[in-house]
Amino acid sequence: QKEVEQDPGPLSVPEGAIVSLNCTYSNSAFQYFMWYRQYSRKGPELLMYTYSSGNKEDGRFTAQVDKSSKYISLFIRDSQPSDSATYLCASRGGNQFYFGTGTSLTVIP
Amino acid sequence: EAGVAQSPRYKIIEKRQSVAFWCNPISGHATLYWYQQILGQGPKLLIQFQNNGVVDDSQLPKDRFSAERLKGVDSTLKIQPAKLEDSAVYLCASSLERAGHEQYFGPGTRLTVT
Repeated sequence: QKEVEQDPGPLSVPEGAIVSLNCTYSNSAFQYFMWYRQYSRKGPELLMYTYSSGNKEDGRFTAQVDKSSKYISLFIRDSQPSDSATYLCASRGGNQFYFGTGTSLTVIP
Repeated sequence: EAGVAQSPRYKIIEKRQSVAFWCNPISGHATLYWYQQILGQGPKLLIQFQNNGVVDDSQLPKDRFSAERLKGVDSTLKIQPAKLEDSAVYLCASSLERAGHEQYFGPGTRLTVT
């Protein structure tokens, strides 16, 4: 079992839709959870990170962690064509950082 | 503020050859990471430096991969000899703090081994 698992998609939505991206993780000791956005042929870019359970909001993006179910979510409101990218979830375990495989998102104008 | 710089951007080599990648982190960032990202997968952490000391290299294939950060700033990652399965994008990242929750990635070096 991988430490962090993510549905690779691809996911295609119309502009303005609410997008839900999800990951699960295996180790209940994980405390920090990150979401990165990666455009084609670019390095990942940090969107936000959260600690333990709860929600964190930044503009159109909301990250949510449910430690009871080991579930990580990223919600994108009012999605834009510029949001088209691969979204990576990640978690920190000790000195290691574990990334999901990424979900490819396309927002259609 | 300049971002993380990496070179070269692309490299094509034959198997059994050697190759080296260079990374210059964001100024002032003490922690530096090297990741391997195989097509269709998420980044895999190979090695983490805190200044010029190694924090974690548990995922680094030490029989062929080596990395150094001699003066606590720039870093090089070397593969010798390369195998076909080493074809990937090699990403360098840096963070201000060792906790590493806010990592800034460079554009990566795309390696093709033929």
